[in-house]
Amino acid sequence: GQNIDQPTEMTATEGAIVQINCTYQTSGFNGLFWYQQHAGEAPTFLSYNVLDGLEEKGRFSSFLSRSKGYSYLLLKELQMKDSASYLCAVRVDSNYQLIWGAGTKLIIKP
Amino acid sequence: ETGVTQSPTHLIKTRGQQVTLRCSSQSGHNTVSWYQQALGQGPQFIFQYYREEENGRGNFPPRFSGLQFPNYSSELNVNALELDDSALYLCASSHIAGVGETQYFGPGTRLLVL
Repeated sequence: GQNIDQPTEMTATEGAIVQINCTYQTSGFNGLFWYQQHAGEAPTFLSYNVLDGLEEKGRFSSFLSRSKGYSYLLLKELQMKDSASYLCAVRVDSNYQLIWGAGTKLIIKP
Repeated sequence: ETGVTQSPTHLIKTRGQQVTLRCSSQSGHNTVSWYQQALGQGPQFIFQYYREEENGRGNFPPRFSGLQFPNYSSELNVNALELDDSALYLCASSHIAGVGETQYFGPGTRLLVL
C-alpha cells in the first residue's frame, strides 16, 4: 500500500523557524513535492526533491532522505501569510500519479 | 496564477444526478490530472490524461470518467452522484518531459451533493 504521514497541525511564532516532517512508504519513488494550500484555494508548488539532500529556495528549504523515506520542509522568518496547510506528495513509478499526505495545518501567531 | 482554469467554481447537485467539470490546461502542457479533495484531507488521484488518452487511474469507480481534447483541455464526468462525492475537485496540468515535471493546479470546483 501507499502511505504518507505528516503531523496534523503545528503552531509557530511570527519570525521564527518551523520544520514540517513527512514520512512515506510507497511502492515506488520518483520524487517528492511540497505544496502550500491556503484555505479554500488550490495547492501551489513549493519544492521538488528527487535526490538526497537539501534544496533551498528563499525562505523555504526542503530535505530528502530516500533511505529513510523521510522529508522535511523548513520555513524561516515566518510571516503571518505562511499560515496555510502544507502538503507532501510522492510520485510513484507508474503513470506519474502523485500520492498525497493529508497535509499539515500551520498556524502562525504574532 | 498558474494559467490553469476550471469551471464552474461552485456547483450544487442532488443525489443521482450527473455533473461535468471542465479544465483548461496551462499553455504548453499536454497532461491533465484530476483530483478529489475532501475537507481536511489531501487530494486523491482520480485519473490522468496524456495526449487524449487515459494515462493512469486511481481507486475511483467507473462512474467517474473523463476526456481530454486536442487542445489538451479536459472534462471530468461523474454519474449517479452520491453524497460522498461532495468535495473540491482539482485539475492539474503538466508537461511530461521526464521525472522532474511539476503539476500546476487550477482553482478547483467545489461540488455539493444534497
